[in-house]
Amino acid sequence: QKEVEQNSGPLSVPEGAIASLNCTYSDRGSQSFFWYRQYSGKSPELIMSIYSNGDKEDGRFTAQLNKASQYVSLLIRDSQPSDSATYLCAVSPGGKLIFGQGTELSVKP
Amino acid sequence: DVKVTQSSRYLVKRTGEKVFLECVQDMDHENMFWYRQDPGLGLRLIYFSYDVKMKEKGDIPEGYSVSREKKERFSLILESASTNQTSMYLCASSESGLRRETQYFGPGTRLLVL
Repeated sequence: QKEVEQNSGPLSVPEGAIASLNCTYSDRGSQSFFWYRQYSGKSPELIMSIYSNGDKEDGRFTAQLNKASQYVSLLIRDSQPSDSATYLCAVSPGGKLIFGQGTELSVKP
Repeated sequence: DVKVTQSSRYLVKRTGEKVFLECVQDMDHENMFWYRQDPGLGLRLIYFSYDVKMKEKGDIPEGYSVSREKKERFSLILESASTNQTSMYLCASSESGLRRETQYFGPGTRLLVL
């Protein structure tokens, strides 16, 4: 079992819809969780971090964490074509980050 | 803004060559990291460093070494490049303490080994 798993996609949603990206992790001791966005040919950029169970909202982005289920998700409301990118989930059991393989999102106009 | 720079965006080398990839950050971060990124495999940690002259192996250190002589600079060395080291190499840095897991990435170096 991979330490951090994401659906590889591609996930395709129409403009204005909600995009839902999911991530599961295996280490129950993980304390910190991150979502990075990576445009094609570019480096990852941090868009959300979450440390406690529940939801964390930042503009159109909402991160959700459920430690009991070892599950973290990212919701993008009112998806825009500019949101088309690969989204990387990263988990930290302490110190270093462990990344999932990424989910490619395509938002169609 | 945090700025992490890498010496080259694209690099082409021959099998057996010694390759140096340089990374510099300007935010006085204690922690620096080297990853490689391959399709379907995500980012994999090669080496990291929590302080000058200090290094720790990541998940895939074989065939690589690192050097950190100054706080702002972290170098990745491919001792004898091989074709399976063709990849995108990403450097990252982070503060120490509570925000140590928030990593900032450089633009990446796409290395082709022929």
